[in-house]
Amino acid sequence: QVQLVESGGGVVQPGRSLRLSCAASGFTFSSYAMHWVRQAPGKGLEWVTFISYDGDNKYYTDSVKGRFTISRDNSKDTLFLQMTSLRAEDTAVYYCARGVVTRSYYYMDVWGKGTTVTVSS
Amino acid sequence: EIVLTQSPGTLSLSPGERATLSCRASQSLSSTYLAWYQQKPGQAPRLLIYGASSRATGIPDRFSGSGSGTDFTLTISRLEPEDFAVYYCQQYGSSLYTFGQGTKLEIK
Repeated sequence: QVQLVESGGGVVQPGRSLRLSCAASGFTFSSYAMHWVRQAPGKGLEWVTFISYDGDNKYYTDSVKGRFTISRDNSKDTLFLQMTSLRAEDTAVYYCARGVVTRSYYYMDVWGKGTTVTVSS
Repeated sequence: EIVLTQSPGTLSLSPGERATLSCRASQSLSSTYLAWYQQKPGQAPRLLIYGASSRATGIPDRFSGSGSGTDFTLTISRLEPEDFAVYYCQQYGSSLYTFGQGTKLEIK
C-alpha cells in the first residue's frame, strides 16, 4: 500500500544540524511532488517546504529559508530535509506528505506518521 | 501571502448533530486551491476535501465542502463519534502553501 515513513528525528542542540529522511513505497515516487509539514507541540500545522517531482523546483516558508534544504533521490524513493542552524522554535513533529500538483489542484494526499525533532540545550 | 482564519476555534456538538466549520482567506483564491484535513490526537493529518468540494478517496459522504472567493465551509451532516478531531483548511498560492490555525470539534 502507499506509505511514507519518516526517520532521523531526535534531540539536537541549538545551532546544530539534522537530516530527516522519508522513505516512500507503494507508488511511483518519481511522479509526485513532496512536502515537509511540521507541527510544534500543541500547535497547528505549518507547511515547511515543497519539491517538485523532478527536484527542479523547491519552495520554502520564510522562517526556514537559508537554513533548511529539501532534496530527493528518485532512484531510492527517498525524500530528505537537511536542517542547519536549528533553533528552539524548530522543535516539532515533521511530516512528509505526497503532493498533488495539477493545473487546478494543489494539496497533500498521503502523509507519513512523522518524526520528532527537539532542539534543546 | 494569503492568511487563512478558521472559526470557531472550538465547536462543541453532540453525535448526530450537524457541524459547520468556516475558513476565511485574507484575499480571494481559486476554489480549486483549497483543501481540508482532519487530524486526530497522535495521528497524522488525513485529506478530506480538495478543490473546495471534492471528497478524497474513502471519505464518507457526510463530509462536504463548499465556498468560493474568500469564504469556504466544511460541513459534516451528521456527526459520528469518530468525527471529533481537529480540522484544518489549506490553500496554495504564489508557490506557497498555508494552513489555517484549525478548528477543534469536541463532544458536547
